[in-house]
Amino acid sequence: EVQVVESGGGLQQPGGSLRLSCAGSGFIFNNYAINWVRQAPGRGLEWVSAMNGSGDHTYYADSVRGRFTISRDSSKNTLYLQMNSLRAEDTAIYYCAHTLNWGSNSYMDVWGKGTTVTVSS
Amino acid sequence: DIQMTQSPSSLSASVGDRVTITCRASQSISYYLNWYQQKPGKGPNLLIYGASSLQSGVPPRFSGSGSGTDFTLTINSLQPEDFAIYYCQQSITLPITFGQGTRLDIK
Repeated sequence: EVQVVESGGGLQQPGGSLRLSCAGSGFIFNNYAINWVRQAPGRGLEWVSAMNGSGDHTYYADSVRGRFTISRDSSKNTLYLQMNSLRAEDTAIYYCAHTLNWGSNSYMDVWGKGTTVTVSS
Repeated sequence: DIQMTQSPSSLSASVGDRVTITCRASQSISYYLNWYQQKPGKGPNLLIYGASSLQSGVPPRFSGSGSGTDFTLTINSLQPEDFAIYYCQQSITLPITFGQGTRLDIK
């Protein structure tokens, strides 16, 4: 069974950093893309970042480009989201999602339960 | 960026009803449209991909249709577990964008 589990969230001051992890099981990271999607309190879903299956392409929303970095350790089947220069508007639940058919026909078929990031002084 | 607009934003219905949620894209996205269901305190759950393909394990009372800019999600014979928030999402290009969500409540 394919599963993804997020961790690493917490409370951080504005300007601070956090590293989120997305641990996968039941599949090989090298074969599948992973998306990060966030949800601010009481709000809808916002796409944040993605890495393709081969790991040679990374993508970011304009709102986080230059501050967030996605990476992975295939030996641990784990994806990371390094979040720097955090802002209050980054406060959200962060989900990682296993993704099929990277490209125009992609869809996120398995999601984690999310990890909560709070940015506040 | 492609804007996704859902209607209605909220909807009240009864068990056994048939409901339809609409999603409109700001430009043509062919059939690259996915639907998700989200319940309180949980991550989203994929229902429909490619506009009309039912994800494995999803009950057949859920169906999707449309292409280009206009899409619909239909739920036949609503069940108590269907009361949730529904999101559409386009996958034709980055950035991936979602609709604002439709909250389906019990009448």
